[in-house]
Amino acid sequence: RKEVEQDPGPFNVPEGATVAFNCTYSNSASQSFFWYRQDCRKEPKLLMSVYSSGNEDGRFTAQLNRASQYISLLIRDSKLSDSATYLCVVSYGGYQKVTFGTGTKLQVIP
Amino acid sequence: GAVVSQHPSRVICKSGTSVKIECRSLDFQATTMFWYRQFPKQSLMLMATSNEGSKATYEQGVEKDKFLINHASLTLSTLTVTSAHPEDSSFYICSASQGAIVNQPQHFGDGTRLSIL
Repeated sequence: RKEVEQDPGPFNVPEGATVAFNCTYSNSASQSFFWYRQDCRKEPKLLMSVYSSGNEDGRFTAQLNRASQYISLLIRDSKLSDSATYLCVVSYGGYQKVTFGTGTKLQVIP
Repeated sequence: GAVVSQHPSRVICKSGTSVKIECRSLDFQATTMFWYRQFPKQSLMLMATSNEGSKATYEQGVEKDKFLINHASLTLSTLTVTSAHPEDSSFYICSASQGAIVNQPQHFGDGTRLSIL
């Protein structure tokens, strides 16, 4: 089983739709969780950190479910500019290691 | 916010050339930096962890003699692709975090697109 798993997609959604991605992780000792966005041929950029209590930033909501070992990202009112690959990142304290998921590709269609 | 600078952004060179890529943390000190490689339409793959003042830690399958890493200061790590060949053509990205790795997000350089002819 991979340490961090994501559905690669692509998720093709119309403008204005709500879309959600999940990311599962295998190490129960994982400490920190993040969502990144990567545009084609660009470096990943931090979208938001994921806190135990859940957090929201505008149209984006991130949640953590430790019991089931997954994090989620919800995007409301999708914009064309949201089209990108969304990467989840998990940090393991004991190993000082950062692991990326393979990414979920989102395509917002006019 | 934290900024990581990577240079050069694009390299095109002949097979057999060695290529050096620099990764700098501009407004913070980074005892640890990470080097990644990404082939087209594939995910980021961690190549190695660069540790200031000590040897880098390489991921399984990454040749340490092929990809030389030097982290001589708290703000600079370099990756040298020695005797590069066409199969080394890829997008190389570095990252660093401000503070404890496990609590802080990674900030990425702009990446270096390497093309070996």
